[in-house]
Amino acid sequence: AQTVTQSQPEMSVQEAETVTLSCTYDTSESNYYLFWYKQPPSRQMILVIRQEAYKQQNATENRFSVNFQKAAKSFSLKISDSQLGDTAMYFCAFMKGVANFGNEKLTFGTGTRLTIIP
Amino acid sequence: GAVVSQHPSRVICKSGTSVKIECRSLDFQATTMFWYRQFPKQSLMLMATSNEGSKATYEQGVEKDKFLINHASLTLSTLTVTSAHPEDSSFYICSASAGGNSNQPQHFGDGTRLSIL
Repeated sequence: AQTVTQSQPEMSVQEAETVTLSCTYDTSESNYYLFWYKQPPSRQMILVIRQEAYKQQNATENRFSVNFQKAAKSFSLKISDSQLGDTAMYFCAFMKGVANFGNEKLTFGTGTRLTIIP
Repeated sequence: GAVVSQHPSRVICKSGTSVKIECRSLDFQATTMFWYRQFPKQSLMLMATSNEGSKATYEQGVEKDKFLINHASLTLSTLTVTSAHPEDSSFYICSASAGGNSNQPQHFGDGTRLSIL
């Protein structure tokens, strides 16, 4: 079974600063995906960024980037130039698989509540 | 594209009532849908995986007779909370898998806040 651990229950940062959210995972799978989801107060789940385990290059989406350390089973999210709209719960998630996602289930971490301070 | 509609968004009912929540994929077919439960300030916990035309697969500790799941078509899955009690009050979220036709593994509904009095 897979486990996903987020060790920072809450974080806060000043607007425009950079913040890094931590995530570690444990798995015996060799092929898998990792994701960061954002859940704002509206409770909608929004995919922020994804990383395929077989790719060595860290994924980047505008202000969001990851530091994927496969050997250490670490997958942190960096938010640059943070904005008030980034205030939300952030969940790290794991999915096993190779291609096209299939119908595999997601395993979520416990989440980090991020507050951007004006 | 890839919109998932969940209904109702909020329901308040008396203890002992059965409540049905619908999850629809509006513009794609979903052979697999997932049902999650989320307590306040906690993570999403997978309750069951719903496969079109077959029985749902429940996670350990989830009562299948309490949480009835039906996935009768490629665009609709329903979760029925039978004889609901206050401890069943929670936020329920569904998601649908679009398989290889999407850049996301699952598309989420907006959730249902269930309050049992």
